[in-house]
Amino acid sequence: DGGITQSPKYLFRKEGQNVTLSCEQNLNHDAMYWYRQDPGQGLRLIYYSQIVNDFQKGDIAEGYSVSREKKESFPLTVTSAQKNPTAFYLCASSTALGYTGELFFGEGSRLTVL
Amino acid sequence: GQQLNQSPQSMFIQEGEDVSMNCTSSSIFNTWLWYKQDPGEGPVLLIALYKAGELTSNGRLTAQFGITRKDSFLNISASIPSDVGIYFCAGQLTFSSLPYGGSQGNLIFGKGTKLSVKP
Repeated sequence: DGGITQSPKYLFRKEGQNVTLSCEQNLNHDAMYWYRQDPGQGLRLIYYSQIVNDFQKGDIAEGYSVSREKKESFPLTVTSAQKNPTAFYLCASSTALGYTGELFFGEGSRLTVL
Repeated sequence: GQQLNQSPQSMFIQEGEDVSMNCTSSSIFNTWLWYKQDPGEGPVLLIALYKAGELTSNGRLTAQFGITRKDSFLNISASIPSDVGIYFCAGQLTFSSLPYGGSQGNLIFGKGTKLSVKP
């Protein structure tokens, strides 16, 4: 079945460590996104990519990095520079070139910093 | 920056009741969307609206794109237990073109309405 796969679902990290969250899609979508969700908050955009080898900062990019070497993959690295990294991270994709706002989300990765 | 005010923040439902929630903004949008998120999962698109005044149904769900383009509401009729979850509105205004074609817009999410079952 087509969809978006995020891994790991749960991740624990010590302060000062970088961690990479994986996101893979087989929907043949051009655009991919990373959102952060905190309790009682809406989704806030971290980074997005409309095409391979290109990505743009979202509203809260500081302390995060991404790459888009393949159409199917958009990994997110949470660096030690991110001051408050404990959160639920959601990856999404959409058919770009005519962006409609219709996003397909993965099941999320919950990161906890100990 | 743009913000969406979604209300109510939370509500309790009894099976069979109708539910109503809405989103308002100080900015206009040309797309309104409603998503539902189950606990520990990613949001799933319920309804997308692309035209001011548009009224669209998806089963027991009905959503409308406000005529001013600054608001939208979602109604759920005859609620059932599996309706519990968090409902997010999202608005978008396409604002720029990309060098390789297409356009992009900044999708803004509300903070969500949490539906729970009455004890």
